Amino acid sequence: EPEVTQTPSHQVTQMGQEVILRCVPISNHLYFYWYRQILGQKVEFLVSFYNNEISEKSEIFDDQFSVERPDGSNFTLKIRSTKLEDSAMYFCASKRDSANTGELFFGEGSRLTVL
Amino acid sequence: SQQGEEDPQALSIQEGENATMNCSYKTSINNLQWYRQNSGRGLVHLILIRSNEREKHSGRLRVTLDTSKKSSSLLITASRAADTASYFCATVPFQGAQKLVFGQGTRLTINP
Repeated sequence: EPEVTQTPSHQVTQMGQEVILRCVPISNHLYFYWYRQILGQKVEFLVSFYNNEISEKSEIFDDQFSVERPDGSNFTLKIRSTKLEDSAMYFCASKRDSANTGELFFGEGSRLTVL
Repeated sequence: SQQGEEDPQALSIQEGENATMNCSYKTSINNLQWYRQNSGRGLVHLILIRSNEREKHSGRLRVTLDTSKKSSSLLITASRAADTASYFCATVPFQGAQKLVFGQGTRLTINP
């Protein structure tokens, strides 16, 4: 069964360092998302991406964050200068259908620890 | 403010019992979805109910939707230890929005 894959599963970094989290969405999906979940808290929307551009972003997704789909396969989330509060589990998700319908398929997540 | 708010926040029952979780939301929706998350894992889609549906079944899952009260419930019948997980409802908060907004979730523990 097709699945969303994420790498790395766990990354530890020093505050101020750049981090890139990678995702391979399901191949025939058109909508891509990043969510994050701080330990013990709810899943928070970061950004959605469609047709090679950001379609929506949350207030969490500030200038330190960027997304890219460099090669038609990977979908990356970059954090330019990490802060302690960026420590969280980051989930990539993809969807086949239009925005208001259908289910999201999530990856297993990348745990980011900022020291 | 949250679009989806689940209650209870935590529920602990004996194996074989039924588990009911509730979700309330604030805005008009196209559909409402329930997801499950095992500890430290990704979210898995369980069931989707459209705004013009009132009830939907999938195996041991039963979901209801009351758009007049802006609420939904998820019932898991004949619970098993493997059902232990967090359960989240999610909605698209407004027309044209691209995202699903998740509630705080209900942490369900099934005791063997």
